[in-house]
Amino acid sequence: KQEVTQIPAALSVPEGENLVLNCSFTDSAIYNLQWFRQDPGKGLTSLLLIQSSQREQTSGRLNASLDKSSGRSTLYIAASQPGDSATYLCAVGSGNTGKLIFGQGTTLQVKP
Amino acid sequence: EAEVAQSPRYKITEKSQAVAFWCDPISGHATLYWYRQILGQGPELLVQFQDESVVDDSQLPKDRFSAERLKGVDSTLKIQPAELGDSAMYLCASSLGGDSYEQYFGPGTRLTVT
Repeated sequence: KQEVTQIPAALSVPEGENLVLNCSFTDSAIYNLQWFRQDPGKGLTSLLLIQSSQREQTSGRLNASLDKSSGRSTLYIAASQPGDSATYLCAVGSGNTGKLIFGQGTTLQVKP
Repeated sequence: EAEVAQSPRYKITEKSQAVAFWCDPISGHATLYWYRQILGQGPELLVQFQDESVVDDSQLPKDRFSAERLKGVDSTLKIQPAELGDSAMYLCASSLGGDSYEQYFGPGTRLTVT
């Protein structure tokens, strides 16, 4: 059974700092991996999608990497801003149905 | 930009009452998902549709939950009777299908059972 773990559960950093969020999964037979952002009480916003054949994806200040063999993904946020404060969720696409298995998220606070 | 629509955004209901949520996926998206997210946790899949057919409902509590997507477009998730433990955010997502599994989420429905 696929399990997804995100560490740390919460993170507080000063504005401008570069930071890394970690995601690990137990079964390397994945279809893809998606990183989402969730603001309090809101739905999920897709940030980056990495297909199983890819190693990384970049969008603006965000870079996500995928290492299937070690069961790990990282989300790198450059030059963090207070507007980046949110919960970041990692989700692994398993099987051939596109079903996503989510981690519990990392809640990020960026202090001005 | 096309979005997944959900209604209502908030719902308060008493224990043992019936409640229903509606989702309209992005136009042309064949696959529709319903997730439940308990506060402080990641979402968990309840049911997945491919067009009008159920692909996965293994985590759906079928004694009280039902879901339908009659014409393969919009979908309704129902709970009857609601229990206190059903208080959660109910999220709908859709994807194009085929080889494209990128999921797009709606704003969710926050359910509170009293």
